[in-house]
Amino acid sequence: AQSVSQHNHHVILSEAASLELGCNYSYGGTVNLFWYVQYPGQHLQLLLKYFSGDPLVKGIKGFEAEFIKSKFSFNLRKPSVQWSDTAEYFCAVLVGGFQKLVFGTGTRLLVSP
Amino acid sequence: DTGVSQDPRHKITKRGQNVTFRCDPISEHNRLYWYRQTLGQGPEFLTYFQNEAQLEKSRLLSDRFSAERPKGSFSTLEIQRTEQGDSAMYLCASSSESDTQYFGPGTRLTVL
Repeated sequence: AQSVSQHNHHVILSEAASLELGCNYSYGGTVNLFWYVQYPGQHLQLLLKYFSGDPLVKGIKGFEAEFIKSKFSFNLRKPSVQWSDTAEYFCAVLVGGFQKLVFGTGTRLLVSP
Repeated sequence: DTGVSQDPRHKITKRGQNVTFRCDPISEHNRLYWYRQTLGQGPEFLTYFQNEAQLEKSRLLSDRFSAERPKGSFSTLEIQRTEQGDSAMYLCASSSESDTQYFGPGTRLTVL
């Protein structure tokens, strides 16, 4: 079965620190990859997505992610985090031929001012 | 910009009661999804509609769960004879052919 692993369950950073959240998926076929973010008290929002083309994708609020097919990875990065980035981040894969998202367990990011 | 809406936002019920949740997708979206999220986990897929047709159901969806999308617009998710293990956040999402799913705020169910 398809699965998504997020290595860090909780991350605590100071403002201006760099961020990298790991995401690995297990599926050998064509995949569409997503990062969603859930700010406190809000619903899931799309941060960025990869369907095809340039493996380095840029999203909202200065986030980017790199798809590395050989490593089955889609890590999320931001060079300098802000207090407002405090949220839970979910990596997800939409498996080709199916119409469901498979999510990781999420990473809670706390950015201290 | 009207997103996905869900009603109610919170539901507290006693074990054994039936509950029904409603989801209104983004108007031009023909695909609608239900997910369930429990504490410390990511959302888990429950079922998927394309227009009014229910095309896929997860094994998580026991016989006590039923979902409908009668006119290809809004959808309802009913849970019969609720159990404490049904306590979770029930999320609805919709998409067009672009495959990007947009989520609603969810319905938080608490079964006492």
